[in-house]
Parts: sequence; C-alpha cells; structure tokens
Amino acid sequence: GNSVTQMEGPVTLSEEAFLTINCTYTATGYPSLFWYVQYPGEGLQLLLKATKADDKGSNKGFEATYRKETTSFHLEKGSVQVSDSAVYFCALSDRGATNKLIFGTGTLLAVQP
Amino acid sequence: DSGVTQTPKHLITATGQRVTLRCSPRSGDLSVYWYQQSLDQGLQFLIQYYNGEERAKGNILERFSAQQFPDLHSELNLSSLELGDSALYFCASSVEGDPRGTIYFGEGSWLTVV
Repeated sequence: GNSVTQMEGPVTLSEEAFLTINCTYTATGYPSLFWYVQYPGEGLQLLLKATKADDKGSNKGFEATYRKETTSFHLEKGSVQVSDSAVYFCALSDRGATNKLIFGTGTLLAVQP
Repeated sequence: DSGVTQTPKHLITATGQRVTLRCSPRSGDLSVYWYQQSLDQGLQFLIQYYNGEERAKGNILERFSAQQFPDLHSELNLSSLELGDSALYFCASSVEGDPRGTIYFGEGSWLTVV
C-alpha cells in the first residue's frame, strides 16, 4: 500500500541554519505530495504541495521538489527562524476515488536563538 | 484560519462514556475527513464522507461511528470510551474532484478519557 517515511526527529538547529527534512514515499500511480506543519498547541496547516513530477512547492521560504526518480519530497529552508519550531508532516494523496491523505510520522524541528 | 470549524476544542470524559465531536467543513466543500492523532499511532485516517455518503474507511474502531448531514456538517461519535482513545481528533474538508487533492484541517478536538 501507499506509505510515507520521514526522517526521525527531533531536529535541533540554530537560527539561520539550513534545514532539510527528508521524506520518501511509496505509492502506485502518481500521488500528490504535501508538507503540513503543526505549531505547538495548534492544528495542521498546509505548508506547500506538488502535484506532479519535478514540480516545486514553496511557501514562507520553505521548498520541496517532487522527485519521481527517487520517490522523494524533501523539505528545505535556507535560513530557519525560532518561529519555524514545529512538527512537520509529509503526506501523500493517492488521487483515486478518495483524496485521503497518508501521513508520515512527523519530524519535530526545534530552532534555538 | 482554514475555514473548517470543530467543536468542542477540549473535552474530558470518563471511561465507558460516549461523546460526539462536531465539524463544519469549508464553504463549498463536499468531502469531510476524520483523523486521529495520538502519540503512539501518529496521524491515522479514520473515515471520509462525501455529500452525505461514506466514501472511504480507514482505521476506525467499531465503537466509533460518523455521519454527514444534509447541511454537510459531520459528527464523529465515540462510544464505550477507553483510556487509549485519548487523542486529538481532526476534521478536514476538500473540494470533491480536485485532482490536486488539497485537504484543509480544523484545529482539532482534544479528547481526554480519565
């Protein structure tokens, strides 16, 4: 079945450091890929998405490129801020009869000043 | 603000009891999804409704049930509650037929079973 694998956390970085959170997927067909973010005490917010191979999703300085050849959708940011501290979830949608999302386990990012 | 509204935000109840969680989807969205987030299971898909009909079922226990009403709001009923049902329950909605499959989440309902 479809699945998503994320790197284990927590990831601890200093402010202005470069961020990479790895995400790989297993899916039949051509899923859409997403990154969601959950700030402390809050719900899930869509951060960015990509719907086909080689698409790059971007938002708030974060980027991820849909790589079909490596089945990956790694999240990157050039310079993190303390306010980026949150849990980040990679997810896929199989775009079949249902658009339900399948999530990875989440990666906690802690950015220190 | 995603436009998805969930109530209540927090509730505490005893084992063996029954609770109902309510969700109003974004205006115009016909699909509603329920997810459970717990420390040990992560984010688990429970069930999806589209325009009042069940569309997909995930890891939903038999003690749990859901429905979507003609005005498109949805309710998740949890019965014979156990300590392990303590979790954050999310509702989400999407536009049916959107090939991009973007799903928007509410802020969740925190359930604590004591």
